[in-house]
Amino acid sequence: KNQVEQSPQSLIILEGKNCTLQCNYTVSPFSNLRWYKQDTGRGPVSLTIMTFSENTKSNGRYTATLDADTKQSSLHITASQLSDSASYICVVLPPGGYQKVTFGTGTKLQVIP
Amino acid sequence: GAVVSQHPSWVICKSGTSVKIECRSLDFQATTMFWYRQFPKQSLMLMATSNEGSKATYEQGVEKDKFLINHASLTLSTLTVTSAHPEDSSFYICSARDGRGQFFGPGTRLTVL
Repeated sequence: KNQVEQSPQSLIILEGKNCTLQCNYTVSPFSNLRWYKQDTGRGPVSLTIMTFSENTKSNGRYTATLDADTKQSSLHITASQLSDSASYICVVLPPGGYQKVTFGTGTKLQVIP
Repeated sequence: GAVVSQHPSWVICKSGTSVKIECRSLDFQATTMFWYRQFPKQSLMLMATSNEGSKATYEQGVEKDKFLINHASLTLSTLTVTSAHPEDSSFYICSARDGRGQFFGPGTRLTVL
């Protein structure tokens, strides 16, 4: 069974600090891996998209890394802000246009002043 | 762009009534649309996949007679929760896919009293 597991399950950090979220997956083969941010009561919003051949992708203060050999990805948030408080979801898409995606379990991040 | 809208954003209804949720891709044509349900503190769970003009494919455990999906056009899909009960209260999110990827709507909060 294809799985995507994230850690930690939840995280509290001080405003201004950095943090790294982890994603381990067993989906194989895969087309691309995405990190989404989901605010409470809102739909997911894409942060980064990486194909299997990419190692890193940045979007402002968000930097995602991918190691296709170990099937691990991380999302690093730099200089966190209160607005970064949200759930972060790792999503893996298999090849093929209309296959099902596999959602990670999510990491709930809370940034406190 | 790739904007997906949902209407309504929230709805409260009495037990036994039916509720229709619309999902629209505003600036692109979506050959496939997905409907997800998300309970508090849980990840998105795929309910069904629909392609324009054909019957939806439901995930195991999802009652097709209770959750009616109509994908009438390349820009519109509707989910009707029939005879809603309190246990149907959840956050429903649609997603639309085209050649560029999959894009999520903002979600609809359904509360059944």
